[in-house]
Parts: sequence; structure tokens; C-alpha cells
Amino acid sequence: DSGVTQTPKHLITATGQRVTLRCSPRSGDLSVYWYQQSLDQGLQFLIQYYNGEERAKGNILERFSAQQFPDLHSELNLSSLELGDSALYFCASSVGGGARYEQYFGPGTRLTVT
Amino acid sequence: DAKTTQPNSMESNEEEPVHLPCNHSTISGTDYIHWYRQLPSQGPEYVIHGLTSNVNNRMASLAIAEDRKSSTLILHRATLRDAAVYYCILSTHSGAGSYQLTFGKGTKLSVIP
Repeated sequence: DSGVTQTPKHLITATGQRVTLRCSPRSGDLSVYWYQQSLDQGLQFLIQYYNGEERAKGNILERFSAQQFPDLHSELNLSSLELGDSALYFCASSVGGGARYEQYFGPGTRLTVT
Repeated sequence: DAKTTQPNSMESNEEEPVHLPCNHSTISGTDYIHWYRQLPSQGPEYVIHGLTSNVNNRMASLAIAEDRKSSTLILHRATLRDAAVYYCILSTHSGAGSYQLTFGKGTKLSVIP
């Protein structure tokens, strides 16, 4: 158990819908990261937040957005869902925001878009 | 982002040491070398990371070449639980406190009982 929690574990929804994925980082961690893992693309970095501020952006679509709240939990919002958005979404957290800190990953949310 | 090269797959016998190689010839002076592993349908798990010196922790050892262009993850006694995809990743420290892990395809390690 990494100490990072993600809800829900599974999500099934239809194309065009909007969903929200939630992540609670390990106690004391200030940085949160979101990743997407699909069969054809592998693990892809989406976005990083550090203490409420966006710090780095990866291959995140404009239909996707995220935020980190004052209690440090984070939400990833996916809208206008397409079949290709079906994937595992992982959240990770680290103590600091720099490269010398290891990241701890949650168990993921499996999103299925039908 | 700097790139790494790993073998697609490796096999090891249970209870024997495993050496997983990684080449990163374009590494820069501020890049950290991270190793993560992932079991099917689970989130990646942190294994070890380092900058210049060799590192040891309860899970593994990381041996970094003197020129830092390659590294080796060492599992001292492979168990069936160590069967996973192992990712060698370079991450660059940014003054703005941001960085990302760029995962490649990794090495799939099979452990034979």
C-alpha cells in the first residue's frame, strides 16, 4: 500500500459524458501527478501540481483539466469523453516537486467509455 | 526528455541475483536515474533512484557507471513477486520545482521457480 488513494476504482460511462477522478496523496506529500495508461500508448504523464499550483504539463488534452485543493487532494476532470479515453488513470504523489523525489502511485481508476 | 534503452525482456531463476541494465548515453548532469516497476493492473511502484553514487535500499541496489551513461538495477535474490515490468527513467530537476517521469516500454522480468 503506497498511501495514495484513488476513487473510484472503476468507472463506466458513455461517450460525450464528463467524469471526475479523485486522488488523495500520501500524508505530508505536497506534489501530485496524473498519468494515463492505455494499451497502445503506455504510461503518459498528464500534469503535476505542487501545493495547489500547476507546475508541469504533459500530454494532457484540452478536454481534460485538473486541480489541487487546499487539503492537497486532487481531481482530474475528463469531459466530452471519447472511446479513446478508455484507460487506467494513475495519480502519484511526492514530498517535493523536484526530480530528486520519488513518486508513490495509487492503485488507479479504470475508465471505460462505451 | 532524455531517453533510456532497456532490453525488452529478461528471465531469472528464483533466488538468484538479477541485473537489469539501462543505457542513457544522453544523460545530463542534473538528471536523476529512477527505477520503477509495475505488476499487471497495478500502479507503478518506486524501486530506487540516484544521481551519481551507487544506492542501496531494502528492495534493490542501483549501480551507476562512472560516466553516468549507463546503470544497473540489482535485485539480490529474485522472488516470484519480483516478476514485473521494470522502468528505467531519467528525470530532470527544474528550478521551478517541476518534473515528470517519462516512461518507456521497460524490461519485462520473468522469474522462473
